[in-house]
This record gives sequence, C-alpha cells and structure tokens, in this order.
Amino acid sequence: KAGVTQTPRYLIKTRGQQVTLSCSPISGHRSVSWYQQTPGQGLQFLFEYFSETQRNKGNFPGRFSGRQFSNSRSEMNVSTLELGDSALYLCASSSPVGGTEAFFGQGTRLTVV
Amino acid sequence: GENVEQHPSTLSVQEGDSAVIKCTYSDSASNYFPWYKQELGKGPQLIIDIRSNVGEKKDQRIAVTLNKTAKHFSLHITETQPEDSAVYFCAASNVDGAAGNKLTFGGGTRVLVKP
Repeated sequence: KAGVTQTPRYLIKTRGQQVTLSCSPISGHRSVSWYQQTPGQGLQFLFEYFSETQRNKGNFPGRFSGRQFSNSRSEMNVSTLELGDSALYLCASSSPVGGTEAFFGQGTRLTVV
Repeated sequence: GENVEQHPSTLSVQEGDSAVIKCTYSDSASNYFPWYKQELGKGPQLIIDIRSNVGEKKDQRIAVTLNKTAKHFSLHITETQPEDSAVYFCAASNVDGAAGNKLTFGGGTRVLVKP
C-alpha cells in the first residue's frame, strides 16, 4: 500500500508570491491534516479536511488555506509569502474506520527568500 | 486548548542502555497519545500509541505508559541501538471530540545512541 505522497519535495519562492502544495493520502483514507514544522515553533497544526470539508483549523492567518477533492487528495495554499513561512510542511492522512492513527508524508520543504 | 510539554530536549545514551522520554498534557479530554520518530529528511513515523483506557502498551523494545490522573505519559526504549538515533515527538488528541484528528505535539527529544 502506497504511503502519503507530497509534492513537490522542495520549493524556493520569493516574498510576496503564493504557493500551492499537494498531498495524496493513503488509499481509502478520507482525513487529511496539514502541519507546519519549524525549528522555533515545532510541529503546529494548520487544518484538517474530511470528505472535502474543513473540520478543524489551527491558529494561522488567513493567508494559509486548503481544500480537499472528491478523491481525498488535498492542497494547501499560502498567499503573500513571508520569510517566516519557510518551513517543512507535512501532510498526514487518517482513516475514519477502525483507528485514528495519522501517517505522515515526507513533507515539502518551502524556502522563502 | 491542549498544551504538551516534552522532556528532555536532548538525550544521549550508550548503546544497549535504556532511554526514557516524558510528556505532560493539559487537557483532561485528551484520550489518544501517539509517539513519532523523525529521522533526518523524513516525515514523522508513528512508532507506538496508547489510548486513555490503557495504562501501558509494549511493542518489542518500545513501551509507553500513561498516567491519566497526573496527565503524563512516557516512552521507554530498551536495549537502544544506533538506529534509534532520531528526534522523537509525543502528541495528544481528543479523538472523540470536535477536534477530529488534530494532534498537539510536544517540542521533541533528540536522542543520540553512542556505539
């Protein structure tokens, strides 16, 4: 069974630009969560999507948004990038049936210059 | 909201010794406590988890204990090996509430196993 796939693995963007990251969950998983990982703040929850609906949201500004498609694939978008948005963005998928384990992808390393 | 504290931030052990990492949580509604191992350049990997109706769970060299009254849980790694060197994260969640699959993570422990 394939794991969680995130694309791209690395991105370099300029301040003020916007970026879209993609996540394909484990087959059959309908819940996708996004996390930001930085050395200073650690792992922080961004939002969770379940069946194309945002189920929960963390404390991030509105520049951070996401969506989920009918095949459970998810994208997150960051607009008007700031230097502080440089981070590893991680996606996790969970199955609503029989367990709540969250399985992470390898992440997208975003560098804002 | 939930707050998870993790100690120590770094841990150096000799190969073959045991390693213990401790976490405390603040929200008594939390009922699911996973542990993740993250190696350089990779995403966190779930290594063991425990639910609030269980006090201890073991999987080969890894065990987790939970004290609901004190709101703390611990990861124990016995007979450590060099491949156990990584950053370990604890997390807490209320899987029955509106929070869905939101995980609140501790700050991480960098474990170094010296051969």
